[in-house]
Amino acid sequence: QKEVEQNSGPLSVPEGAIASLNCTYSDRGSQSFFWYRQYSGKSPELIMSIYSNGDKEDGRFTAQLNKASQYVSLLIRDSQPSDSATYLCAVRTPTSGTYKYIFGTGTRLKVLA
Amino acid sequence: ETGVTQTPRHLVMGMTNKKSLKCEQHLGHNAMYWYKQSAKKPLELMFVYNFKEQTENNSVPSRFSPECPNSSHLFLHLHTLQPEDSALYLCASSQDQGQGYLHFGNGTRLTVT
Repeated sequence: QKEVEQNSGPLSVPEGAIASLNCTYSDRGSQSFFWYRQYSGKSPELIMSIYSNGDKEDGRFTAQLNKASQYVSLLIRDSQPSDSATYLCAVRTPTSGTYKYIFGTGTRLKVLA
Repeated sequence: ETGVTQTPRHLVMGMTNKKSLKCEQHLGHNAMYWYKQSAKKPLELMFVYNFKEQTENNSVPSRFSPECPNSSHLFLHLHTLQPEDSALYLCASSQDQGQGYLHFGNGTRLTVT
């Protein structure tokens, strides 16, 4: 069973701090990695995508990928109360001649004002 | 309209009812998906259509029946559901099954009584 693992949280950080969200995946063949943000009662929206080892920065967000360790992380700098949400890690992995997007359970982030 | 639109937003149905969920995407994508989101569980992939062909049925019970008449529209027909089928049903689309990222609709909150 191909899996994506995340700590469900809640992860509580003070406003202005760095929030660090982690994700591991089981399938070494996974090729593409995504972080989605989901506010309560809303649908997931894409925050970052990353395809190669290393860091990718977009504003206050940095995604980090280490394929050897099968590990993806998301750093949120200068956390704001509006960042409070559930963050879903997703991987696109080849399977049976096609591809699947597999999601983790999500980490709930609470940014304290 | 842009993006992925789902109707209805909320649905309450009895176990003997028949209803349908509708999804429409205006992004020119070729792949469409149904996911089920239940509390404390990862997003569960139900069905995938790529270029109008069903490429994935993730062992979904036959009381759920998908229909994809064209690349822009996706339906989920529901009949004789069980209370445990109550969940948020999310439609998504992507450029095709191996490219792009998932764009989600706002979801249908289904309650089976």
